[in-house]
Order: sequence, then structure tokens, then C-alpha cells
Amino acid sequence: ETGVTQSPTHLIKTRGQQVTLRCSSQSGHNTVSWYQQALGQGPQFIFQYYREEENGRGNFPPRFSGLQFPNYSSELNVNALELDDSALYLCASSLDRGLGSGANVLTFGAGSRLTVL
Amino acid sequence: AQSVSQHNHHVILSEAASLELGCNYSYGGTVNLFWYVQYPGQHLQLLLKYFSGDPLVKGIKGFEAEFIKSKFSFNLRKPSVQWSDTAEYFCAVKGDTGRRALTFGSGTRLQVQP
Repeated sequence: ETGVTQSPTHLIKTRGQQVTLRCSSQSGHNTVSWYQQALGQGPQFIFQYYREEENGRGNFPPRFSGLQFPNYSSELNVNALELDDSALYLCASSLDRGLGSGANVLTFGAGSRLTVL
Repeated sequence: AQSVSQHNHHVILSEAASLELGCNYSYGGTVNLFWYVQYPGQHLQLLLKYFSGDPLVKGIKGFEAEFIKSKFSFNLRKPSVQWSDTAEYFCAVKGDTGRRALTFGSGTRLQVQP
């Protein structure tokens, strides 16, 4: 089975620009979550998508937005970039069968490292 | 809101030493608990998980963790570490609310010296 793949792996942007990060979920998974991992910190939940709709959101402003496509792949868009947005952005996929053990096991991608200058 | 505390930020051990990494969480309801590991240059991987049942769970590569509900703890242990265990370890919790997100601790960097 293929794992979670993310692109690009590294990118550099300047303040005020916009960025789009992409994620292909693991085969058989229907849910995608995005996390931000700042240097020296644990991942922080941005949002989750299930059946192409946002299914939960962390404490991130509206300039962080996303999409999920019918093939369960996903995009994370960040507008009006700020210096503090510099981080590793992780995509994780999972199989959501409703309440139960399968819903919570995330498979992570290698991440997209964003540097904002 | 749920939160996770990992007490040790950086641990240095010699090979064959025993390991225990602390993890405490704050959440009053039913929890699912996880340890993830991030080896240098690699992505986060699931080490082990607890959903219910036996509070002592075994994971990959000889790791185990014990859920102590009264202490809100889920400490990670390994009797004898190897150089290849050098990595960053993250504890994570998910509560029984509708929110499906994991809350991660800040991580513990383990360095095993040969």
C-alpha cells in the first residue's frame, strides 16, 4: 500500500504571499488532517476533512483553508503569509468508520517545510 | 481543553540502558493515547496506542507503555535501548468529544550513545 505523500518538500515564500501544499492520502483512507509543527514543538492540529467537508478545526485563523477532493487527496492553502507560519506542515490520513478504533490511527506524510522570509 | 505534557525534553542514554519517558495529559473523559516516533529525516510513525482494555500496551521495537488512569499518565518504556532508537518521541491524546484531532506533547529528543 502507498503511504501519505506530500508536495512540495521544501519551499520558501515571502511575507504576504500565498502558498498551497498538497497531500495524497494512503490508499483506503477517507479522512485527511493537517498539522503544523513549529521547530522544537509537537504537531498542532489545523483542521480535518472528511467527505470533502471540514470536519473539525484547531485554533488557526481563517487564512488557513483547505480542500479535500473526491479521491481523498487534499490541499492546505495559507494566505497572507506571516513569519510565524514558518514550520513543517504535516498531512495525515486515516480511515473513519465512525466511532471506533480505526478512526484515530493517523498515518503521516514526511511533511512540507515552509520558510517565510 | 485537553493538553499533554512531556516532562523530559532531551534524554541522553548509553546503549543497553533502560528508558522511561513521561507523559501526562489533562482530560477528564475517556481517552485514546498514542506514542509516535520521528527518526532523523523520517516521518512520524506510530509506536503504540491505547484504546481500552489492558493498560499495559506493547508496541513495535520492544517499546511498551502503561496507562495509569488515576495519574493521567501514559509513560513509555523500553528495558534496553539501542543506538537506532535515537529519535524524537511524541505522546498524543484524543478525548471522547466529537473533535477528532490529536493533541500532541512537545516531544522528547532521545539520544542513545554507542
